[in-house]
Parts: sequence; structure tokens; C-alpha cells
Amino acid sequence: AQSVTQLDSQVPVFEEAPVELRCNYSSSVSVYLFWYVQYPNQGLQLLLKYLSGSTLVESINGFEAEFNKSQTSFHLRKPSVHISDTAEYFCAGAYSSASKIIFGSGTRLSIRP
Amino acid sequence: DAGVIQSPRHEVTEMGQEVTLRCKPISGHNSLFWYRQTMMRGLELLIYFNNNVPIDDSGMPEDRFSAKMPNASFSTLKIQPSEPRDSAVYFCASSRRGNTEAFFGQGTRLTVV
Repeated sequence: AQSVTQLDSQVPVFEEAPVELRCNYSSSVSVYLFWYVQYPNQGLQLLLKYLSGSTLVESINGFEAEFNKSQTSFHLRKPSVHISDTAEYFCAGAYSSASKIIFGSGTRLSIRP
Repeated sequence: DAGVIQSPRHEVTEMGQEVTLRCKPISGHNSLFWYRQTMMRGLELLIYFNNNVPIDDSGMPEDRFSAKMPNASFSTLKIQPSEPRDSAVYFCASSRRGNTEAFFGQGTRLTVV
């Protein structure tokens, strides 16, 4: 069965430090991958997506994720975080063989000054 | 497009009362999803529709919950009778197809006292 796994429920980091939020997906011939961000008291917003082509995708606020087929991973990274990045981050996968998008359990990113 | 529109944004009701949450998906989207989010259980998929037809309602917690999609531009999630443990944020999302990028509404925060 298709699945998306986020290994860390919480990640605390200091401001301006690098961060990596981990995401693994179940192997599939065809899969689209997404990262969503949820700021406090708001809905989920799409941060970035991988559909095809370049395996490295970037968001407008400095996050990037790399599609790694051999490791079935789609980790989210940022070289230097800001207080405003405090949010919950959800990894999600859309499989061609499934009729719905599948979400991971979420990772809460907390930034310490 | 205005995005996915949910109403009301906040609802406070007494135990035993009927609650109806509403959602207007993005025009042209064929799939609609209802999610529930709590601190304890995270983001849960309750039910989703493709072309107004319920595809999978296995996430609906009890018979007290029901969802309808009478046309392509409107859906409701009803709880009757409501209980305090139903308190949560309920999100509606839509997508062009079930396994593509989903767009979320701002959510309805339900409090049952």
C-alpha cells in the first residue's frame, strides 16, 4: 500500500541554523511529491512540489527538497532558518495508482532565537 | 479564483446540537476532501468525493457524521448529535483529480461544549 512517512514529529533548531525535515515514501513507478506548510491557526499551503524533471525543487522562501529515487526520500532542507519558519510541515504523495493524495503525520518545526 | 471557501470559520455549539460545515471547492476541481485536525490525532482524512460521488468514507468516525456533495460547487459535513470530542479544526480541500495537488480552505474551528 502507498504510504508517506515523516520520521520526526518535532524538530527544534536555533535561528539561522540549517534544518532538514525527513520524508520517505513507498516506492512506486509514478509518484508526485509535495511539501505543505501550516502556520499557526491557518490552513495548509503548498510549499513546493516534484512532478518530474529536475530532482531538486525550490520554494520562494529558501526551502528546497530533493527527490531521491534510490532512497525513496523527499527531504526538505533550508540552509538558514528564520523565526517566521515556525510551522508544521507535511509531506504528501500522489500515486498514479491511487485516487487520493496521501499525507504524512507532520513535523512541527520550532525555531529558538 | 478565491480558493476553497469554508464557512463558518468558527462554530461553538452545545453538546447534542446539529452542526453543519460548508465548503465551496475551486471551480473546475473534480475531487473534494474533508479532513479533521486535532492535537492528539493530527490530520485525518474523513471522506472524499470524485465528481460529486463519495469514493471513500472509511475515515468518518461514526454514524453521527455525514457528508454530501449535491453539486460540483458545494459540499456539507454534518454532525448530529455533536459531542465534545468532535471539537477540532475541519478542513475542506479540492483538487483537479484525486491524486494531484490539493488546495485547502482556511478551516472551521468547531468547539462543542
